[in-house]
Amino acid sequence: QKEVEQNSGPLSVPEGAIASLNCTYSDRGSQSFFWYRQYSGKSPELIMSIYSNGDKEDGRFTAQLNKASQYVSLLIRDSQPSDSATYLCAVKRGNQFYFGTGTSLTVIP
Amino acid sequence: NAGVMQNPRHLVRRRGQEARLRCSPMKGHSHVYWYRQLPEEGLKFMVYLQKENIIDESGMPKERFSAEFPKEGPSILRIQQVVRGDSAAYFCASSDRTGHGELFFGEGSRLTVL
Repeated sequence: QKEVEQNSGPLSVPEGAIASLNCTYSDRGSQSFFWYRQYSGKSPELIMSIYSNGDKEDGRFTAQLNKASQYVSLLIRDSQPSDSATYLCAVKRGNQFYFGTGTSLTVIP
Repeated sequence: NAGVMQNPRHLVRRRGQEARLRCSPMKGHSHVYWYRQLPEEGLKFMVYLQKENIIDESGMPKERFSAEFPKEGPSILRIQQVVRGDSAAYFCASSDRTGHGELFFGEGSRLTVL
């Protein structure tokens, strides 16, 4: 069983819509959860971190964590073409980080 | 407020040569991680180091690859006798020692083996 699982996509949404990205993790000892955005040919960029159950909002981005279900999601409101990228879910347990394989998002103008 | 610094950004080597990739973590960060990424693929963990110690090298090939993070100076990922299959982007990331410490990535070093 993989530590972190994401739907690989690709996910396509029209401009202005809400994009919903999902991630599950296998180890209940995971303590911190992150979303990274990676543009083609670039390095991953941290966009959200969440540590406790519930929602965390930052601008157009909302991260949601449900530790009971071992589920973390990222919502992108008012999606823009510039949001087109691969989104990586990561969890931290101890000092080790575990990454999903990423979900490719395309926002269609 | 420098981020994670990697060099070189691009490196071309012929088969059999050595590649050395360097990484300076963010100021105040003592944990360094190296990842490899092939085109259109996910990040593959290679090695996790703290100053003068390799903590976890479970993702690193047993032969030809080595890593260090000396007391002074950058972390170095060394690939000896490179082969075409080593062509990839190598990302370094750093984190501080706190429990929720976030991981920040450098721009990456792109190795091409001819």
